[in-house]
Amino acid sequence: QKEVEQDPGPLSVPEGAIVSLNCTYSNSAFQYFMWYRQYSRKGPELLMYTYSSGNKEDGRFTAQVDKSSKYISLFIRDSQPSDSATYLCAMSALTGGFKTIFGAGTRLFVKA
Amino acid sequence: GAVVSQHPSWVICKSGTSVKIECRSLDFQATTMFWYRQFPKQSLMLMATSNEGSKATYEQGVEKDKFLINHASLTLSTLTVTSAHPEDSSFYICSARGGAVYSNQPQHFGDGTRLSIL
Repeated sequence: QKEVEQDPGPLSVPEGAIVSLNCTYSNSAFQYFMWYRQYSRKGPELLMYTYSSGNKEDGRFTAQVDKSSKYISLFIRDSQPSDSATYLCAMSALTGGFKTIFGAGTRLFVKA
Repeated sequence: GAVVSQHPSWVICKSGTSVKIECRSLDFQATTMFWYRQFPKQSLMLMATSNEGSKATYEQGVEKDKFLINHASLTLSTLTVTSAHPEDSSFYICSARGGAVYSNQPQHFGDGTRLSIL
C-alpha cells in the first residue's frame, strides 16, 4: 500500500463547476499538507500549504484536511479552462525528517 | 516570493556527452535542494537530496556516478548527467526548500529541463 493514494483521473468537468480533488494517506504522523499544480512540461507550483486539520481558503481554492479520516481535499470553485492541469497532493511529518511524500497526481480537464 | 530558476529548459545532445543542469533559488536561501525525474504522465521520482555544503543523498537505484550533484552554495545546485545515453532522456526537475535542514517548509520547484539524448 502506498503512503499516499491519489486517483490519477482524468477528471473532466464543464467550466464553472466545483472541482473536488482528494488524497488519502496511511501515515498518521503526517502534519503538513500541500497541493501543487503542474501544467504540462512545467514544474509543480505550490497552491496551498496547511498544517494539521481544518480548512484554508485562497481565492477560488479551498484546502481541507481531516486527520481523523486521513483524507485531504482541494476544492476549486468556478473552475476555468486555465485550471486544466495535474494536481499533486503532498505531505510531510517531523518523524520522517519532513521528507515530502507526493501523490501520483490527478489530471484535470476543464471544458469551455 | 520563493522563485526557483532552472536552466536550461531544453537540451538535446549526442550520446556519450555530459550535460549540466543548474537550479537557483532567486529570493531565498535554499538549505536543501532536491532533484526529481519525471516520465510522461507519471508522478515525480525523487533522485537525490542535497544539503548545502554536504554530499548528496541518493535514492535507491539512482547511480551517483551517473548523476553528479553539487550544492556548493545556498542558492545554487547543479545536476550533471555524465556520459548520457538515450535511456537518460527524461524531464528533470529541481526543487528548493529554505529554513533548517530538516524543515517543515514546502518545496518550491523550478520549471524543469527536458533532456533528449540522440
